[in-house]
Amino acid sequence: DAKTTQPPSMDCAEGRAANLPCNHSTISGNEYVYWYRQIHSQGPQYIIHGLKNNETNEMASLIITEDRKSSTLILPHATLRDTAVYYCIVRVATNAGGTSYGKLTFGQGTILTVHP
Amino acid sequence: DTAVSQTPKYLVTQMGNDKSIKCEQNLGHDTMYWYKQDSKKFLKIMFSYNNKELIINETVPNRFSPKSPDKAHLNLHINSLELGDSAVYFCASSLRAEQFFGPGTRLTVL
Repeated sequence: DAKTTQPPSMDCAEGRAANLPCNHSTISGNEYVYWYRQIHSQGPQYIIHGLKNNETNEMASLIITEDRKSSTLILPHATLRDTAVYYCIVRVATNAGGTSYGKLTFGQGTILTVHP
Repeated sequence: DTAVSQTPKYLVTQMGNDKSIKCEQNLGHDTMYWYKQDSKKFLKIMFSYNNKELIINETVPNRFSPKSPDKAHLNLHINSLELGDSAVYFCASSLRAEQFFGPGTRLTVL
């Protein structure tokens, strides 16, 4: 799996958009970009993933550059409950058979602190 | 309606003991995992099972033995516990791209 680089920490004011960057310059053509987060003392939580198009769901938006070497996770209106460690992970989504049992390789992530 | 559950939540034991952590998922997923998060907060994959078959076995001491009696369960048995085994152990499951994690089991070896 390709390596990712994220800033160690970021701050964001409550109600503002939080933009978390991730570099993955060695990403392969069949590798997806995944974002997970881990709120203190809880298990990691899936946020979103994408291949090359921008993606949006109820939690966040994912913007992937055209060359796919970097991406940004956007939390449009951050709340205090969004304070967590955010992990950007690159990996193949499924194996040849269509099922998915690939491991997630977690880096150090970005500690996002949302303050009032 | 818990998706991925683990028992126990906390486990405190003496060095040399044998202990088990249980994991169950009610999502109908085919694949289950064990991850370890150490004191420095690094999360690392340990094992993965797909339809009760071992798929991923990272460099883990053979004191750790996963067992999957059926698709919904993946238990982790640890023999001869050592101080360095103290960590939070997370179970996860997946059907396709997204992995769902359990709440974790905090193991403390004294």
